[in-house]
Amino acid sequence: GAVVSQHPSWVICKSGTSVKIECRSLDFQATTMFWYRQFPKQSLMLMATSNEGSKATYEQGVEKDKFLINHASLTLSTLTVTSAHPEDSSFYICSAGKGGNTQYFGPGTRLTVL
Amino acid sequence: GESVGLHLPTLSVQEGDNSIINCAYSNSASDYFIWYKQESGKGPQFIIDIRSNMDKRQGQRVTVLLNKTVKHLSLQIAATQPGDSAVYFCAENAYSGGGADGLTFGKGTHLIIQP
Repeated sequence: GAVVSQHPSWVICKSGTSVKIECRSLDFQATTMFWYRQFPKQSLMLMATSNEGSKATYEQGVEKDKFLINHASLTLSTLTVTSAHPEDSSFYICSAGKGGNTQYFGPGTRLTVL
Repeated sequence: GESVGLHLPTLSVQEGDNSIINCAYSNSASDYFIWYKQESGKGPQFIIDIRSNMDKRQGQRVTVLLNKTVKHLSLQIAATQPGDSAVYFCAENAYSGGGADGLTFGKGTHLIIQP
């Protein structure tokens, strides 16, 4: 199998605080993980590519200082939303690849910033 | 930038009928295409994929067709069931020397199966 988990599944925080979301590949090693964001009734948008042991690559328009990504091991990548504001409220989804094109998606994390 | 788009945002189909969901893509460098199903509040679920060296691929009750000439992708679902109700996304990427790129998703089609 190829199972990807995310934690937490949902989080509510106050404006100005930071929130960390974890993405884990449970039964395989992922050299690359991807972070997507999905606003209500919209499609998934790629935010960044997370490579184990190196800096993440961010898509155009995504602030790297606001969305901190750490890929410390072959099974874990974290996304930290710093100084979160209501406009950051969204569904954050990660995916992991074993190599090749196929990506396995996590269940998503619903972030609500008050 | 280049994107993957869909023709229809909502598709309503009678239970038991076949459904076809269409998708247009613009990146001629894309060599891998995937269809995902997403239920409310959940992550995308893989349905079927196809590589650019193929024009048709079949799975269980699903068929994906790829027309590279007009950059068009379609998903056919046979004998639809209530559990098929969801939003369907096409996605594409290209495999570069350094590994797979992130996916570019289409806008999504909400498939509604009516009893």
